[in-house]
Amino acid sequence: EPEVTQTPSHQVTQMGQEVILRCVPISNHLYFYWYRQILGQKVEFLVSFYNNEISEKSEIFDDQFSVERPDGSNFTLKIRSTKLEDSAMYFCASSELEDNQPQHFGDGTRLSIL
Amino acid sequence: AQSVTQLGSHVSVSEGALVLLRCNYSSSVPPYLFWYVQYPNQGLQLLLKYTTGATLVKGINGFEAEFKKSETSFHLTKPSAHMSDAAEYFCAVSANTGGFKTIFGAGTRLFVKA
Repeated sequence: EPEVTQTPSHQVTQMGQEVILRCVPISNHLYFYWYRQILGQKVEFLVSFYNNEISEKSEIFDDQFSVERPDGSNFTLKIRSTKLEDSAMYFCASSELEDNQPQHFGDGTRLSIL
Repeated sequence: AQSVTQLGSHVSVSEGALVLLRCNYSSSVPPYLFWYVQYPNQGLQLLLKYTTGATLVKGINGFEAEFKKSETSFHLTKPSAHMSDAAEYFCAVSANTGGFKTIFGAGTRLFVKA
């Protein structure tokens, strides 16, 4: 069964540094998402992306964050200047159609900010 | 706006006993409802979904859930718990409110005793 793949599985970065988290969504999917899960807390929506533009974003997704689909297969989340509170598990998800389809999640990237 | 409330952050059952994980939702428009399972250090795996039609939905690993609109509930059940069911379970809702972001509950950790 096709999967959403995320790399790296664990990223350690110094505070203030830029970090890029990478995702390869399922190939025929059109909608892409990033979610965040701070340790011990619930999964929170960050942003959705369709047709090369952001379709919705949460209040968490401030100017430090950006997303991009640089080619036909990758979907990236960039954090420009990381803060300690950015430490979390970041999940990428994709869905074939927007309505009523479950989102398929990757295994996540654990981001640790030192 | 949508929200999800999972009653009980921890549930403990004996192997072979009934599993009941409670979920109540709030949505201003017809919701799509999901249960996801998360094993330690892994991503989110879809257990089952309700979109339209039959209100009793069956999922993987013997789980099922019933959508009760009058009670705004979507409780997850399994007749007989297995040790391998020990994990974190997330109820989630999405709806067409201009985007299809998924809103997650806080999660319920299921413990299964031998």
